[in-house]
This record gives sequence, structure tokens and C-alpha cells, in this order.
Amino acid sequence: AQKITQTQPGMFVQEKEAVTLDCTYDTSDQSYGLFWYKQPSSGEMIFLIYQGSYDEQNATEGRYSLNFQKARKSANLVISASQLGDSAMYFCAMRAGNYGGSQGNLIFGKGTKLSVKP
Amino acid sequence: GAVVSQHPSRVICKSGTSVKIECRSLDFQATTMFWYRQFPKKSLMLMATSNEGSKATYEQGVEKDKFLINHASLTLSTLTVTSAHPEDSSFYICSVGNMNTEAFFGQGTRLTVV
Repeated sequence: AQKITQTQPGMFVQEKEAVTLDCTYDTSDQSYGLFWYKQPSSGEMIFLIYQGSYDEQNATEGRYSLNFQKARKSANLVISASQLGDSAMYFCAMRAGNYGGSQGNLIFGKGTKLSVKP
Repeated sequence: GAVVSQHPSRVICKSGTSVKIECRSLDFQATTMFWYRQFPKKSLMLMATSNEGSKATYEQGVEKDKFLINHASLTLSTLTVTSAHPEDSSFYICSVGNMNTEAFFGQGTRLTVV
């Protein structure tokens, strides 16, 4: 069974500092994709970054980077130079494998609530 | 990326009535759409996979007769919560995408049943 684990229910970070949000995953698929989404209080899901299982380099998107350690099955999100607007829920997600008929739905972790302090 | 429009964003309905939520994919041919449910301060849980022109596939524990899904075209899927009860109050959100794209989400619908 596929599973995403986020062990940090809440995190605090000082404005302008970097923060790492943890994510571990479990899957028996060889090919999979890992995602991070930001969900502000409005509820919308904002795509941040994607890492494919065969990507050799860690994904980066602006202030977001994904620390992908395949052997450890971890995909931590690093946010550099935190801003007040980064305060939100952050979800790590995995795309279910396409074996067994899955067509691309995501499996989500429980999320981490990030609070950026001024 | 694809633009997904979900409507309404908020709805309050009386217990026993039905509510229809629309999910439109504005620029992506969506043969498949996904409906998720999110309880307060919880994660998103897949409810069902909506398949264009055929029956939806429901996750275990989701009542298909209560959550009716219709996917009549490549751009529109609807979720109807029938005979709604207070325990159906939740945040419902749809997404489109396939194995080669990211998941594009609608804005979500906050349903309150009173």
C-alpha cells in the first residue's frame, strides 16, 4: 500500500529564515511522483514542486527545493527566506502508480501547518 | 497549467436537500477527474474517480448513492450530495490531471448542512 507520512503537525519559522518540512513515503512502485502543495486558509491547493522517482537531481522552484533521498524514501520540502505569506498548510503527496488501473490520483499526507513569525 | 473552475465555493443547505457541485476543466481535456473530501484540519481523501462517459469509481466506504457523480463531457464533472446531513459538511475539491501532469485543483467547495 502507498502511504505518505508527515510527522510535523505544526512548524514555526522566523521570517527570512529557511525551514524544512518533512515527508516520507512508502510505495512498492518503481515509478512514482512526489508533490508538494500549499493550502492557505482559503482552501485552494497551490502546486509548489514536483519530483519524479527517476529524477537524479533535486527539484527546485524559486524559494522551494525538494530534498529527495530515494534510499530513505524521503522528500523533504525546503523553503528558503521564509515570508509571512508562506504561513499555510503544506501537503506532501504521491501519485499512485499506474499499475492496477490508477489514472493519476494523489495520496496525501496529513499536512504540516507552517507559521512564519515576523 | 490547466485551469479548473469549481462552483459554488460555498454553500449552506438544509438537512435532507441535495447539493450539486460543478467542476469544469477550462483548458484541459479531462477524461478523468478526481473528487476529494477534506474535513477540518485534516488531509484530502480521495472519494471517487470520475470517468468521462462511464460510471465513476468510488473509494471504499464512499456511498455511491449518496455522492452521485456525472461526467458527461471532457470539461465537466458534477458531484451531487443527495439528502445531505450535517455529517456531510466538509470541504470538497476536484482535480484534473493524468500520469504525465501535475494535479490541477479547483478552488474547492465548502459545504455546510444545517
